[in-house]
Amino acid sequence: AQKITQTQPGMFVQEKEAVTLDCTYDTSDQSYGLFWYKQPSSGEMIFLIYQGSYDEQNATEGRYSLNFQKARKSANLVISASQLGDSAMYFCAMREGPSGNTPLVFGKGTRLSVIA
Amino acid sequence: DAGVIQSPRHEVTEMGQEVTLRCKPISGHDYLFWYRQTMMRGLELLIYFNNNVPIDDSGMPEDRFSAKMPNASFSTLKIQPSEPRDSAVYFCASSLDYRGMNTEAFFGQGTRLTVV
Repeated sequence: AQKITQTQPGMFVQEKEAVTLDCTYDTSDQSYGLFWYKQPSSGEMIFLIYQGSYDEQNATEGRYSLNFQKARKSANLVISASQLGDSAMYFCAMREGPSGNTPLVFGKGTRLSVIA
Repeated sequence: DAGVIQSPRHEVTEMGQEVTLRCKPISGHDYLFWYRQTMMRGLELLIYFNNNVPIDDSGMPEDRFSAKMPNASFSTLKIQPSEPRDSAVYFCASSLDYRGMNTEAFFGQGTRLTVV
């Protein structure tokens, strides 16, 4: 079974609008971490934001926020005030367990295109 | 720190040849991961090391693939003999074991391998 599901292969958003990229996950662990990475056309993987399973507040980093709904096992990324430079692939990932360093498991990604 | 450094950035080789990909993790990081990215399968974990010791190599596709980490600052991924289906982007990533805390993986720029 897929541990990370990203159901939107591609998304379009108008510049300056907000956009939500969906991510659902599957785990039986009580302790886990959820991550979002950005991969621009140049290919590098850029870490954006992290949410721990015990964090009560939704994570925020600048224009990025994570809408964490634990009961629904979803960890959607919200990008506010989209910019042309936000056009990229976005990957949701999960690390299971409390110890801090099992490998990240990635979803298939969502390609975001920001339109001027 | 210069980040995770991979070499070469691009590699084109003929089927049957040996290919060696190299990685220098961030100094002080005690986990090193090798991932492969393809359009069909997304980002797959191949193998990871903790303190230079291989922990899980179940993602290595077949015996043609091998990985070593002779010291804390260097790892190699070798494919011998290479086949066209090995064409992919290979990422190395490293992370630090902060138990219970955010431990995102830092990725290298990747090696784009083309086997013709």
